[in-house]
Amino acid sequence: QKEVEQNSGPLSVPEGAIASLNCTYSDRGSQSFFWYRQYSGKSPELIMFIYSNGDKEDGRFTAQLNKASQYVSLLIRDSQPSDSATYLCAGYAGNNRKLIWGLGTSLAVNP
Amino acid sequence: ETGVTQTPRHLVMGMTNKKSLKCEQHLGHNAMYWYKQSAKKPLELMFVYNFKEQTENNSVPSRFSPECPNSSHLFLHLHTLQPEDSALYLCASSQDPGYGYTFGSGTRLTVV
Repeated sequence: QKEVEQNSGPLSVPEGAIASLNCTYSDRGSQSFFWYRQYSGKSPELIMFIYSNGDKEDGRFTAQLNKASQYVSLLIRDSQPSDSATYLCAGYAGNNRKLIWGLGTSLAVNP
Repeated sequence: ETGVTQTPRHLVMGMTNKKSLKCEQHLGHNAMYWYKQSAKKPLELMFVYNFKEQTENNSVPSRFSPECPNSSHLFLHLHTLQPEDSALYLCASSQDPGYGYTFGSGTRLTVV
């Protein structure tokens, strides 16, 4: 069973701090990884994707991929209360048309 | 209209009712998906359509019946549902899953 695992949280950080969200995956054939943000009662929205080992930065967000350790992370710098949401990690192995999803990590940024 | 549009946003139906969910994408994508999202569970893939042909049915009960008349439209026909079918139903589309999906706003379904 191919899986993507995340700590469900909640992860609580003070405003202005760095939030670190982590994800591990079991399928070594996975090629691309995605971080989606989902506000309560809303649909997921894509915030980052990464397919190369190392870091990828976009504004306050940095995605990190380590294929040897089968580990993906998302760092949110200068966390804001508006970042409070559930963050979903997903992987894609390229051999079908679907993503494999984690359960999501709930993040609360406290003013 | 841009993106992926789902209607209705909210739906309450009785167990003997028949209703349909509609999804339309304006992105020129060639794959469309139905997902179910229940509390404390990962996103559950229900159906996948590629170029309007169904390529995956993830052991979904027959009370859920998908229809994909063309690459831009996707329906989910519902009949004789159970209370445990209450959930957020999400439609998504992609051109290449390697670049992720675009989700619609979802339909919050309550079966009474």
